[in-house]
Amino acid sequence: AQSVTQPDIHITVSEGASLELRCNYSYGATPYLFWYVQSPGQGLQLLLKYFSGDTLVQGIKGFEAEFKRSQSSFNLRKPSVHWSDAAEYFCAVGAPFGPMNYGGSQGNLIFGKGTKLSVKP
Amino acid sequence: GAVVSQHPSRVICKSGTSVKIECRSLDFQATTMFWYRQFPKQSLMLMATSNEGSKATYEQGVEKDKFLINHASLTLSTLTVTSAHPEDSSFYICSAPSGALQFFGPGTRLTVL
Repeated sequence: AQSVTQPDIHITVSEGASLELRCNYSYGATPYLFWYVQSPGQGLQLLLKYFSGDTLVQGIKGFEAEFKRSQSSFNLRKPSVHWSDAAEYFCAVGAPFGPMNYGGSQGNLIFGKGTKLSVKP
Repeated sequence: GAVVSQHPSRVICKSGTSVKIECRSLDFQATTMFWYRQFPKQSLMLMATSNEGSKATYEQGVEKDKFLINHASLTLSTLTVTSAHPEDSSFYICSAPSGALQFFGPGTRLTVL
């Protein structure tokens, strides 16, 4: 079955410390992988994505993630966390592009349950 | 980037009433939009795929007669929760694809009393 696991429900880090949020997936084919951030009352914002190529991808706000096929993981990292990074983070996996049935994008994104990040001053 | 809006952002209604939620793509056209539901401390679950000009496609276990979807134009999809009950209280999020990505609305918090 297709699934995404985010093992950490809640993580607290000090401002300026490094961060790693874990994501493991189970998927029958080569997945497309995403990290989204959701702030209270806000919509989901895409941080970064992996489709193919270089397995280390850079995103917005200083985030990066590394796709490790052998470990079925796509962990999110940031070298120095800012207080404004406190939010809920979701890892998601989607199907590779199929027929152009909806503009070339996949429809059914499978989301992990999220990791809530708190930042201590 | 592409922007998706939702209206209302919050709604409180009495049990048995119907509630309509709008999802609009503001600066792009979307022949397809997606409706997700998010329970507290849970992940987003896809409810249905809204298709402009044709019937919506519902995920397994989602009651199509309860969650009516109408994709009226290339920029608007509506989700109507009919005869709402307290168990329908949730956070409803829509998204629309633009190119290879999906763009999400800010969500609608529905509370059914």
